[in-house]
Amino acid sequence: AQSVTQPDIHITVSEGASLELRCNYSYGATPYLFWYVQSPGQGLQLLLKYFSGDTLVQGIKGFEAEFKRSQSSFNLRKPSVHWSDAAEYFCAVGAGRGNAGNMLTFGGGTRLMVKP
Amino acid sequence: DSGVTQTPKHLITATGQRVTLRCSPRSGDLSVYWYQQSLDQGLQFLIQYYNGEERAKGNILERFSAQQFPDLHSELNLSSLELGDSALYFCASSSRQGTYEQYFGPGTRLTVT
Repeated sequence: AQSVTQPDIHITVSEGASLELRCNYSYGATPYLFWYVQSPGQGLQLLLKYFSGDTLVQGIKGFEAEFKRSQSSFNLRKPSVHWSDAAEYFCAVGAGRGNAGNMLTFGGGTRLMVKP
Repeated sequence: DSGVTQTPKHLITATGQRVTLRCSPRSGDLSVYWYQQSLDQGLQFLIQYYNGEERAKGNILERFSAQQFPDLHSELNLSSLELGDSALYFCASSSRQGTYEQYFGPGTRLTVT
């Protein structure tokens, strides 16, 4: 069965500093990978996705992620963090194929705090 | 705004009761998914419907059921509620079978007292 691990439960960075959030997945086939962000009291917003092709994918709000098959990782990065990026970030893998459904399996999330 | 709407936003009810959560997918989306987010279990997939038919089931309790109507809106029914059912329930939608790109609604926060 598929699984996603986000090793860091909390991360604090200073505004303007760079950010990397870690994600490791376990899935037998080629994974479909996602990063979502959840602001307090809000739903989940899709930041970016990887299906195939270029292993470095760009997303919204200046985020990017790199798929590394050899490390089973899909880490999220941002070169300069803004105070408004404070939120919880979820990595997810798409499981199921064909008519077996398209559910997402989520990691436990990483809560990002931004220091002024 | 993802285009997915959920009602109600908040729901407070007592143990043993039954509630219905409603979801309207994005215009044109045929798939609807339900997820539960709780502090101890995290975000868990419950069930998926595609064009009115159940497509996949996850960790959904027997006390819970769902359906998708001809107009593509979906309802999640939770019965014999327990304290542990308190959670945020999300609905998501996607455009077609085979795609994993899901767009989430704002959620319904259920509190069971």
